[in-house]
Amino acid sequence: RKEVEQDPGPFNVPEGATVAFNCTYSNSASQSFFWYRQDCRKEPKLLMSVYSSGNEDGRFTAQLNRASQYISLLIRDSKLSDSATYLCVVMTRSSASKIIFGSGTRLSIRP
Amino acid sequence: NAGVTQTPKFQVLKTGQSMTLQCAQDMNHNSMYWYRQDPGMGLRLIYYSASEGTTDKGEVPNGYNVSRLNKREFSLRLESAAPSQTSVYFCASSGTDYNEQFFGPGTRLTVL
Repeated sequence: RKEVEQDPGPFNVPEGATVAFNCTYSNSASQSFFWYRQDCRKEPKLLMSVYSSGNEDGRFTAQLNRASQYISLLIRDSKLSDSATYLCVVMTRSSASKIIFGSGTRLSIRP
Repeated sequence: NAGVTQTPKFQVLKTGQSMTLQCAQDMNHNSMYWYRQDPGMGLRLIYYSASEGTTDKGEVPNGYNVSRLNKREFSLRLESAAPSQTSVYFCASSGTDYNEQFFGPGTRLTVL
């Protein structure tokens, strides 16, 4: 089993739809969680950090479920410009090498 | 502010050649990272430097060496390039380790 798993998609949804992605992780000692966005042939860019209490930034909401070991990203009222690959990142301080990126979920918004 | 810069943007090497990828950040960050990204595999950590003067192996360090030259600069060296090292290489930095990271534009490396 991979340490961090994401549904690769692609998710193809109409503009204005609500879409949600999950990312599961296997190490219960993981402490820091993030969502990044990556456009084709570009570098990843931080979308939002994921806090235990959940957090919201405009149309984007991130949640952490420690009991079931997953993080989620909800995008409301999706825009054409939301088309990208979304990467989850899980960090664990117990070992220097434990910064794990998911392989990403591709999202395509159609007009 | 330029953020994180990487040179070169593209490089083609022959098997056995060596090269150094350069990375610099102007955000006064303590931690810097090198990743490689291959299709369908996500980003994998090669090496990281939690602070100036320290470096640690990541998930896939074999075939690479790094140097944290100063607080701003973190270079990645391939001593004897192999076709398996064909990839896109990203450098990143963060204020402290295990925190939000900011990425450079990447270097696309092909080893023939």
